[in-house]
Amino acid sequence: DTGVSQDPRHKITKRGQNVTFRCDPISEHNRLYWYRQTLGQGPEFLTYFQNEAQLEKSRLLSDRFSAERPKGSFSTLEIQRTEQGDSAMYLCASGNMKWNTEAFFGQGTRLTVV
Amino acid sequence: SQKIEQNSEALNIQEGKTATLTCNYTNYSPAYLQWYRQDPGRGPVFLLLIRENEKEKRKERLKVTFDTTLKQSLFHITASQPADSATYLCALDSIAGSGNTGKLIFGQGTTLQVKP
Repeated sequence: DTGVSQDPRHKITKRGQNVTFRCDPISEHNRLYWYRQTLGQGPEFLTYFQNEAQLEKSRLLSDRFSAERPKGSFSTLEIQRTEQGDSAMYLCASGNMKWNTEAFFGQGTRLTVV
Repeated sequence: SQKIEQNSEALNIQEGKTATLTCNYTNYSPAYLQWYRQDPGRGPVFLLLIRENEKEKRKERLKVTFDTTLKQSLFHITASQPADSATYLCALDSIAGSGNTGKLIFGQGTTLQVKP
């Protein structure tokens, strides 16, 4: 399968713990996006990369969130000192600037903070 | 601020009928609009993209219209089937600085239930 891959699919963590999610985009895509989705809502933009450069971060992204995309390939999203309000589905998507069309989403990582 | 509204109430229709979903937006002039399908527990899947200079686009049983004057898009599924049951998301692009970032702003989605 050459689609967008996310790991893990599910994560349950205790409040205050740190968590890290990984996203492997489609290999020829130079853009990578992170979104967060809560129940009954559409995905909300968090941040995006073009190659290894992080070009935009949403105001939703507090200081506890950090994302990286070393070497312009896979990306990681880390949440430090998790809070119950962080419970959500975290979605990764990739796209190609040259084609500038649709986004290809992964299956998401479901985070539950207890 | 930019706002996208989709009907939050679920749409229930009978198999074989045409489903019509609405997406309205304000304070925005998108270059293109996209529709995605999302099944429970899974990521969104791209269906159709329509550009600001296009009035209508079709793909198999799907049809999308885009009225930039009304700031509205309609998404139609003809000859609907129970397998079409899912949540459908409308998304607009975001222009920043020198060009299109590919960043999307989503509506809250409308759940479609097609009954046999």
